[in-house]
Parts: sequence; structure tokens; C-alpha cells
Amino acid sequence: AQSVTQPDIHITVSEGASLELRCNYSYGATPYLFWYVQSPGQGLQLLLKYFSGDTLVQGIKGFEAEFKRSQSSFNLRKPSVHWSDAAEYFCAVGAAAGNKLTFGGGTRVLVKP
Amino acid sequence: DVKVTQSSRYLVKRTGEKVFLECVQDMDHENMFWYRQDPGLGLRLIYFSYDVKMKEKGDIPEGYSVSREKKERFSLILESASTNQTSMYLCASSENRGIGTDTQYFGPGTRLTVL
Repeated sequence: AQSVTQPDIHITVSEGASLELRCNYSYGATPYLFWYVQSPGQGLQLLLKYFSGDTLVQGIKGFEAEFKRSQSSFNLRKPSVHWSDAAEYFCAVGAAAGNKLTFGGGTRVLVKP
Repeated sequence: DVKVTQSSRYLVKRTGEKVFLECVQDMDHENMFWYRQDPGLGLRLIYFSYDVKMKEKGDIPEGYSVSREKKERFSLILESASTNQTSMYLCASSENRGIGTDTQYFGPGTRLTVL
């Protein structure tokens, strides 16, 4: 069975500082990996996804994520955080032969001025 | 842009009431999903549908049922609401290219409180 762990429940970062959100997954075959963001009062929006190829993936809003198979990780990064990045972030794993996405518990990001 | 709308943003119901949550998507997507979102637990799949009148149980279907009579509309039904069903409910849709691989598009959510 596939599973996703986001070890950090809350992260506080200063505006302009860098941000890294951790995601570890468990899946036997090649995973399809996603990061979604949920801004206050809104639904989830896709930031980026990884299927194959280059292990560094660029997404929207200046985010990137790196797939590391040896560590079963897919961490999300942003070099310089803006106040509008305050939101909850969800990592998810799926599979070509699967019939669902499995989401992590989420990481809530607070941005200090 | 894909648009997924949900009938209510906030809903308050009493224990034992029958509750209907409605979801509509405007992009002719084959797949539709209902999730429940609780703090620390992320999103958990309740039911999904890959075609009109077709449905599959997700991870937590107990206490819920669904209906998909038209392609664009997917309803979640709580036959007899209970307090432990107080939660945020999210609807999503995706094209028919692989449920486990395709991008899902989400509605804004319905926050249901059962008293």
C-alpha cells in the first residue's frame, strides 16, 4: 500500500527566507508525486508533479521539488518566501496502476513579516 | 480554467438528518472524487466515480453514499449525519487519463458541522 509522510505539521518562516517542506513516500514501484497548496478558504491547487525524467521539477509560484529515489523523498523548496505563500501544503503519491492518490497530513506554513 | 463548484461553503446540520453535498465540474472530466479533510490527517478518499452511474469506495466510505446521474455532477450523501462526520469535504475532478496519475482539480470545500 502506498503512503505519504509529511514530518512537519507547522513551519514558521520569515518573509524573504528560504523554505523547504519535507515529504517521504512509500510505494513499491515508480511513484507519481504531487505537491498541492491550499490557501485559506480555498481548494487545493497543483504546484508541481513528477512522473519521470529530470529529478528536479519546476512548478508554479517559484516552487521546485527534487525527487530522490534512494531516500524515498520529494521535498518542496522555494528560495525566497512571500507573505502570500502562507498556506497548507500537501504531498501526494499515485501510481500508473493505481486508482487513487494518497495524501500526506499536510504542513501549515506561517510567514512572518 | 477548470472550475469545480460546491453547493455550500458552510453547512450546519443536526444529528440524524440526511445531508446532501453537491459538486459540479465544467470541464467534461470523467473522474470525480469526494474527500474528507481533517487536521493532521490530510485528505482521505470517501468515494470516487469514473463514469456516470459508476462509483467505487475509497478508504473511508462508511456512513456515506454517492450519486452520479450526470457527468458534471457528483453528490455526497450522509444518510443519517453524526457528530463524527463534522469535517471539511472537498470535491475534485480529473480527466480520464489515470486516476492514480492525473492532476486533480478541487472545489473550495464545504465545512460541515453536525450538532
